[in-house]
Amino acid sequence: QVQLQESGPGLVKPSETLSLTCTLSGGSISRFYWSWIRQPPGKGLEWIGHIQYSGTTDYNPSLKGRVTISIDTSKNQFSLRLSSLTAADTAVYYCARGPTYLYPNAFDIWGLGTMVTVSS
Amino acid sequence: QSALTQPPSASGSPGQSVTISCTGTSSDVDVGAYSYVSWYQQHPGKAPKLMIYEVTKRPSGVPDRFSGSKSGNTASLTVSGLQAEDEADYYCSSYACGNHCYVFGTGTKVTVL
Repeated sequence: QVQLQESGPGLVKPSETLSLTCTLSGGSISRFYWSWIRQPPGKGLEWIGHIQYSGTTDYNPSLKGRVTISIDTSKNQFSLRLSSLTAADTAVYYCARGPTYLYPNAFDIWGLGTMVTVSS
Repeated sequence: QSALTQPPSASGSPGQSVTISCTGTSSDVDVGAYSYVSWYQQHPGKAPKLMIYEVTKRPSGVPDRFSGSKSGNTASLTVSGLQAEDEADYYCSSYACGNHCYVFGTGTKVTVL
């Protein structure tokens, strides 16, 4: 059974850089695209970006310049770095699988999410 | 990058049907141009769950009470035979902006009366 698990700090200071890691179990990360999606408290979902197993990335234009997604196939992990944080970046951050050829342009497996608060 | 527009809320009694719309109106979110609309169900405090992909298709395990459709620039999710466990937030999503990115809808809270 394929599962995703996010890990990283729950509290980050303004202007600093957030680093999160998503670990895949029950499958290989060397297939498909892998995405980061976030949800501010009480608000909707926002796609942050994704990475293909080959390392190809695409990012949300509204976050471009602040976001970097990387992948480590040897560890079955992919990571998110988001810089110049403000309170507006406070959110639950999800990692997800997709898109895939199984579910084109959709996100079929999600992690449980990790809450990140930006505050001094 | 504009979000897709959904009604904030919808409701129905058990056994009834409810339909949620999802409209993309800006040039970079052309729902009508793509067959890549998906729908997600999210219960409070839980991760979203894929319910519909490619406008009309259901992943295995999703009840056939859930169906999707599209007309012009508006996609829709219909939940037939409402059950108590269908009470949740629902989000649409679409491939967008022509350079391989995605946008979500504003979300609809479905209440089972």
